[in-house]
Amino acid sequence: SYELTQPPSVSVSPGQTARITCSGDALPKKYAYWYQQKSGQAPVLVIYEDSKRPSGIPERFSGSSSGTMATLTISGAQVEDEADYYCYSTDSSGNVVFGGGTKLTVL
Amino acid sequence: EVQLVESGGGLVQPGGSLRLSCAASGFTFSSYWMSWVRQAPGKGLEWVASIKQDGVEKYYVDSVKGRFTISRDNAKNSLYLQMNRLRAEDTAVYYCARLNWNERGPYFDYWGQGTLVTVSS
Repeated sequence: SYELTQPPSVSVSPGQTARITCSGDALPKKYAYWYQQKSGQAPVLVIYEDSKRPSGIPERFSGSSSGTMATLTISGAQVEDEADYYCYSTDSSGNVVFGGGTKLTVL
Repeated sequence: EVQLVESGGGLVQPGGSLRLSCAASGFTFSSYWMSWVRQAPGKGLEWVASIKQDGVEKYYVDSVKGRFTISRDNAKNSLYLQMNRLRAEDTAVYYCARLNWNERGPYFDYWGQGTLVTVSS
């Protein structure tokens, strides 16, 4: 079955740039999406269609995709950005898939 | 403002049944696919089921096929998940999510706060 691979954890200091990667064989032809999930809360869409930002999401959140890898970048990460981040996409058959999640620590 | 509010979770014994509900507001419910996504304690997100606007086309993850049934009532702006023959491994927070589509496929754009289902004796 299709998998999206993320690093289990990423750690940065406040003000630094955090980058979270997501690799998957179908990403050259499928969009990547990113969800932020703070402790005890529901997921929130922060990036859609590889690089678009929903209204209300801070400009420090950006996304990119090249080949089989998508990247979520948080420029000038803040303490309130500490959360689990999940990438999402579909495979060539249209099956939905989530990555395993990346715990971002900002301290 | 899009709002999705789940209810119906709780503690149930293995082999038991539970019906989850999701009340939707702030958008034209009948125009969207809807889904259930779950998250076991300390684990990642897992898609469970999706239903088309008319309620006829439905899809399930293999692990719940034959045990769970997704349905909707467009007149009541509500989504449901009937869960039968529950197992310990079904223990999770269940989220109701709106499914949007573009030319490359579906994605979840809004989520409810979730309802906890615990299967234990």
